Amino acid sequence: GNSVTQMEGPVTLSEEAFLTINCTYTATGYPSLFWYVQYPGEGLQLLLKATKADDKGSNKGFEATYRKETTSFHLEKGSVQVSDSAVYFCALSSGQGAQKLVFGQGTRLTINP
Amino acid sequence: SQTIHQWPATLVQPVGSPLSLECTVEGTSNPNLYWYRQAAGRGLQLLFYSVGIGQISSEVPQNLSASRPQDRQFILSSKKLLLSDSGFYLCAWSGQVPNSPLHFGNGTRLTVT
Repeated sequence: GNSVTQMEGPVTLSEEAFLTINCTYTATGYPSLFWYVQYPGEGLQLLLKATKADDKGSNKGFEATYRKETTSFHLEKGSVQVSDSAVYFCALSSGQGAQKLVFGQGTRLTINP
Repeated sequence: SQTIHQWPATLVQPVGSPLSLECTVEGTSNPNLYWYRQAAGRGLQLLFYSVGIGQISSEVPQNLSASRPQDRQFILSSKKLLLSDSGFYLCAWSGQVPNSPLHFGNGTRLTVT
């Protein structure tokens, strides 16, 4: 079945550091890939998405490229801010019918000033 | 614009008591609706999804049930809560178009004592 594996957290960085959160997936067919962010005490918000190989999703300075050859969708940001502290979830969807997303376990990110 | 409302925000219930969590969506019609559970320190698990009124699909066998009495209303229920039902419950909606992103409510934190 489909699955998503994220790098384990927690991740702690200083402000303005470079961020990478690794995500790899296993899926049949051609899934769509997503990154969601969850701020403390809130639900999840869509951060970015990519629907086919070599697509790059980007939003709020974050980027991720759909790499079919390595089955990866790593999240990157060049210079993180304290306000980026949150839990980040990688997810995939088969795109068939209802969006039954499969989520990774989440990576908690803390940015220190 | 579309909004999703989920309540209550927090709930403490004794073992063996009933449960009813409600979720409503505004600003869209015929959405797909979902219930996810997020256990402490773990990822999200899809519990139920619905592609239309009265149509409920269960992803995992458990002590919970779901109903969709109206197009934009989704209810999560239990007749008798177990300790293991504690967690963070998230309602979400998506459009019918393939690869539509999920939009989450702010969640309900349920503690069963």
